[in-house]
Amino acid sequence: DTAVSQTPKYLVTQMGNDKSIKCEQNLGHDTMYWYKQDSKKFLKIMFSYNNKELIINETVPNRFSPKSPDKAHLNLHINSLELGDSAVYFCASSPRQGTATYEQYFGPGTRLTVT
Amino acid sequence: AQTVTQSQPEMSVQEAETVTLSCTYDTSENNYYLFWYKQPPSRQMILVIRQEAYKQQNATENRFSVNFQKAAKSFSLKISDSQLGDTAMYFCAFMKHGMRTGTASKLTFGTGTRLQVTL
Repeated sequence: DTAVSQTPKYLVTQMGNDKSIKCEQNLGHDTMYWYKQDSKKFLKIMFSYNNKELIINETVPNRFSPKSPDKAHLNLHINSLELGDSAVYFCASSPRQGTATYEQYFGPGTRLTVT
Repeated sequence: AQTVTQSQPEMSVQEAETVTLSCTYDTSENNYYLFWYKQPPSRQMILVIRQEAYKQQNATENRFSVNFQKAAKSFSLKISDSQLGDTAMYFCAFMKHGMRTGTASKLTFGTGTRLQVTL
């Protein structure tokens, strides 16, 4: 019954590897997001999808590629991992704007450690 | 572009006391939303309170209330009767109103204030 879930919660990997983080929401929301929280706790948007369409793509290296197979899922694939990719990655979802509620609901986060 | 500033990196308050966390923002938008999120050591991001810019009345949620000053672009959070469970990082966040239904708007976060509630 978790609203926004992410797997895995922890991910430890070596430089150069490719990894994916999965996100699923069961809230019936149309929009999903990926945020990155760095070691200083600063949170910044990476991507956003609305009904499987990419609508926000901040300045993120091409090694990061989001994929949305349906509006309940938004996965994040990272190629050729680097030390600087170590962070906590949060998935979030929100209903479409114009509805009564619009706030974003966050998943539990995935702590990625690149060694 | 929008910016959000939280000038207090750390604060401490005794249990049962009241504390106010500061937040200022800069935007040229007229329609927007403001939020306070709480991040306890579990790292879960929890929405504490929200404010629509078009509403003059300050939002309240139980022990949490805001002082929204639109002209001054200030959005402070007051926590009354502080509890040990309030110990967390608190983030102020800005979101502009979507131009059309169905569009997403990103949250722009401040750098956070670490609040410690002590006995």
